[in-house]
Amino acid sequence: GESVGLHLPTLSVQEGDNSIINCAYSNSASDYFIWYKQESGKGPQFIIDIRSNMDKRQGQRVTVLLNKTVKHLSLQIAATQPGDSAVYFCAENQAGTALIFGKGTTLSVSS
Amino acid sequence: DAGITQSPRHKVTETGTPVTLRCHQTENHRYMYWYRQDPGHGLRLIHYSYGVKDTDKGEVSDGYSVSRSKTEDFLLTLESATSSQTSVYFCAISTGQGAGELFFGEGSRLTVL
Repeated sequence: GESVGLHLPTLSVQEGDNSIINCAYSNSASDYFIWYKQESGKGPQFIIDIRSNMDKRQGQRVTVLLNKTVKHLSLQIAATQPGDSAVYFCAENQAGTALIFGKGTTLSVSS
Repeated sequence: DAGITQSPRHKVTETGTPVTLRCHQTENHRYMYWYRQDPGHGLRLIHYSYGVKDTDKGEVSDGYSVSRSKTEDFLLTLESATSSQTSVYFCAISTGQGAGELFFGEGSRLTVL
């Protein structure tokens, strides 16, 4: 089965709200995690990453939280904008040579 | 796009025909990857390469082969295409050692009739 998964396939929010996208992973040996954003018709693009020796990392309007106790990863987007509408994937580095992706959450932002 | 070009971008073929997708990079990175993307499955790793003539299988490698005869090109071949291989195929490169941040190409949409 999938090692990395997302709790919800879709998430709808209003413009200006904060969005939280969740991801569960099963391999406790994974030491590196990435969030990607994929817009329609394009390849995935890097948003933010975090290593297993960290609990939190912040970027511009985005924050990734890592809870190793329950093997949970989340992406928080502050003041969500229509341009944030996309599919979001979490990915983990299990064996050091390849990333394994979750199934994705589609974020829809209405104005 | 980190200098990644995929070709063809779109292809329609018939069951049983061979298909080769090409991924070309301009930046001489060691690690290259092929993923497929299907609704409900996200991105799944097919094969990857860690150098010229050095390749390994991913989670969905059955029915696919790869070749890397030079650093800049990573080819994905479907020897005899099946309808279950209808998908969008993404090539990616890693700019570091192993699977750090991956940069993806724009994808190749393959339809097998």
